[in-house]
Amino acid sequence: AQSVTQLGSHVSVSEGALVLLRCNYSSSVPPYLFWYVQYPNQGLQLLLKYTSAATLVKGINGFEAEFKKSETSFHLTKPSAHMSDAAEYFCAVSRSNDYKLSFGAGTTVTVRA
Amino acid sequence: KAGVTQTPRYLIKTRGQQVTLSCSPISGHRSVSWYQQTPGQGLQFLFEYFSETQRNKGNFPGRFSGRQFSNSRSEMNVSTLELGDSALYLCASSLVGGDSSPLHFGNGTRLTVT
Repeated sequence: AQSVTQLGSHVSVSEGALVLLRCNYSSSVPPYLFWYVQYPNQGLQLLLKYTSAATLVKGINGFEAEFKKSETSFHLTKPSAHMSDAAEYFCAVSRSNDYKLSFGAGTTVTVRA
Repeated sequence: KAGVTQTPRYLIKTRGQQVTLSCSPISGHRSVSWYQQTPGQGLQFLFEYFSETQRNKGNFPGRFSGRQFSNSRSEMNVSTLELGDSALYLCASSLVGGDSSPLHFGNGTRLTVT
């Protein structure tokens, strides 16, 4: 079974500072990896996905993530936080013909002015 | 293109009742899946449908059921509601599912069981 671990349930950053959200997966075969964001009272919105084409993946809103097979990690970063980045972020994995996503517990980001 | 539409947005039910939630996927998307989101358990997979067939099911009791219609619209039903069923229920769609295509989520139905 696949699992996803997000380190840190809550991250607080200053506006303009680096945002780093950690995600590790357990899988014998590199899965499909995704980062989603959820704003209050809304569904999940895709930030980016990894599907083995490139290890550094660029997403929307200035976010990017790097796939490191040796570390089974897929950490999400943004060089400069903006107030609008305050939200909950989820890392998720799936496999071909799995027909489901397995989500991490989520990391809530707050941005200090 | 319209996104995934879930109705209703909010629902209040009493223990023992049953409830039906509706989901209209993005036009052209044939795979529809459902997730339950709670503060304690996080996001958990309920089931996935494609061409009216359930292809995968999560670890939920039989009180939770779903179906998909020929136009890809989907419904999920929860019978004999329990307090612990209070959650945000999210529907997601993708073109065919089971591949690297991302899921597109609706805004969810917030179910409160009293």
